[in-house]
Amino acid sequence: RKEVEQDPGPFNVPEGATVAFNCTYSNSASQSFFWYRQDCRKEPKLLMSVYSSGNEDGRFTAQLNRASQYISLLIRDSKLSDSATYLCVVNMDTGRRALTFGSGTRLQVQP
Amino acid sequence: GAVVSQHPSRVICKSGTSVKIECRSLDFQATTMFWYRQFPKQSLMLMATSNEGSKATYEQGVEKDKFLINHASLTLSTLTVTSAHPEDSSFYICSAREDRAKNIQYFGAGTRLSVL
Repeated sequence: RKEVEQDPGPFNVPEGATVAFNCTYSNSASQSFFWYRQDCRKEPKLLMSVYSSGNEDGRFTAQLNRASQYISLLIRDSKLSDSATYLCVVNMDTGRRALTFGSGTRLQVQP
Repeated sequence: GAVVSQHPSRVICKSGTSVKIECRSLDFQATTMFWYRQFPKQSLMLMATSNEGSKATYEQGVEKDKFLINHASLTLSTLTVTSAHPEDSSFYICSAREDRAKNIQYFGAGTRLSVL
């Protein structure tokens, strides 16, 4: 079983749609959780951290369910510019602070 | 926001050549930096953790004599791919963890290495 699992997609949605991604992680002792965005052939960029109480940043909402060990990302009112690969990222080792990446979910927003 | 500079962005070299990649934190101190590798359509895989003033910690399966890491200052880590071979061709990305921030890592733009 992978340490961080995501549906690879692609998710093809029209502009204005709402789309949700889920991610599961294997290590119940994981401490920190993030969503990163990666455009083709570019480096990952932090989209948002994920907190236990859930958090929102504009059109983006992230939630964490520790009991079920899954993380979600909801994108409302999708824009063409949202097209990218979304990486679920978990910090499983508080000592080294290394990040474990999911393989990513590809989103394609269509006009 | 914090900026991490990675250089060069693209390298094409002959088999047997050694390639050095630099990762700099431009406006913050980073005691710890990380080196990742990403093959096409795959996830980023951690190669090693680079610690300022001490030896790097390598992940299982990563040869430390092949991938030399030096973290000589609080703002610079280098990765040297020694005697590169075609199977080393990949996208190498560094990240730096700001000492004052909790768990936030900033990524360099990556280095695309192609070994002929």
